[in-house]
Amino acid sequence: DVKVTQSSRYLVKRTGEKVFLECVQDMDHENMFWYRQDPGLGLRLIYFSYDVKMKEKGDIPEGYSVSREKKERFSLILESASTNQTSMYLCASSLSLRRAELDEQFFGPGTRLTVL
Amino acid sequence: AQSVTQLDSHVSVSEGTPVLLRCNYSSSYSPSLFWYVQHPNKGLQLLLKYTSAATLVKGINGFEAEFKKSETSFHLTKPSAHMSDAAEYFCVVSREWGYQKVTFGTGTKLQVIP
Repeated sequence: DVKVTQSSRYLVKRTGEKVFLECVQDMDHENMFWYRQDPGLGLRLIYFSYDVKMKEKGDIPEGYSVSREKKERFSLILESASTNQTSMYLCASSLSLRRAELDEQFFGPGTRLTVL
Repeated sequence: AQSVTQLDSHVSVSEGTPVLLRCNYSSSYSPSLFWYVQHPNKGLQLLLKYTSAATLVKGINGFEAEFKKSETSFHLTKPSAHMSDAAEYFCVVSREWGYQKVTFGTGTKLQVIP
C-alpha cells in the first residue's frame, strides 16, 4: 500500500513563527502536492512538485514556500505564520507526470495547524 | 479553465435509501473525473475514477457514477445507504490533458440517519 505520512497531526504556532510541515511518501512517486482544506472551500492547491528540486505554484501560493531535496520528501514552509493560515494541510502524491492518464492521488492524514 | 460544481453542500438520507450526490463540471476537452471520500478524522480516499474508457464507472463500497457529456455531469450514486457512508465527498476534475494537477469541488457532506 502507498503510504503518505505527515510529521504532525496537530500543530499550534504563534503569529510570525516560521513553520515547517513535512510529508514523506514511500512509493517512489514523482508528483507531490500540498493542499489546504477549509470548510466550504474544498481543497485548494498550494504547491506542486513533479521532480526533485522542481516545483510549481498552485492556486494559493502566497505566504508559502516548498522544498523537495529528495524524491520521497516534500516540505511546506510558512515563512511567517499568520492567523489566516490556520487550516488543515493535506499532502498527496501521485505516480508520474509523463502519463496521458491522470493518476490517483494518495493523501496523508493531514496536519491541523492553528496560528495564534 | 476546468471547474467542478457540487450542487449540494449537505445531503441527508435514511439508512437503506438511495444516495445521489450531484457534480457538474466545466471543461474545454474531455476530462478525467474522480470522486474522493473523506471520513471524519481520516485522509481522502479514491472512490472511483473516469478516464473515458466507460461512461458508467463502478467504485468501492457499492458506489458508482455516470459520465454524461451532454449534461456535463458526473453524479455519484449508491442504491442503499449504510451508516458507514457518512462522510464528505469531493468531485474532482483534471485541469489539462496529460497534466497531473486537478481541481476539487467544495465537497458534499453526507449524513445517514438510522
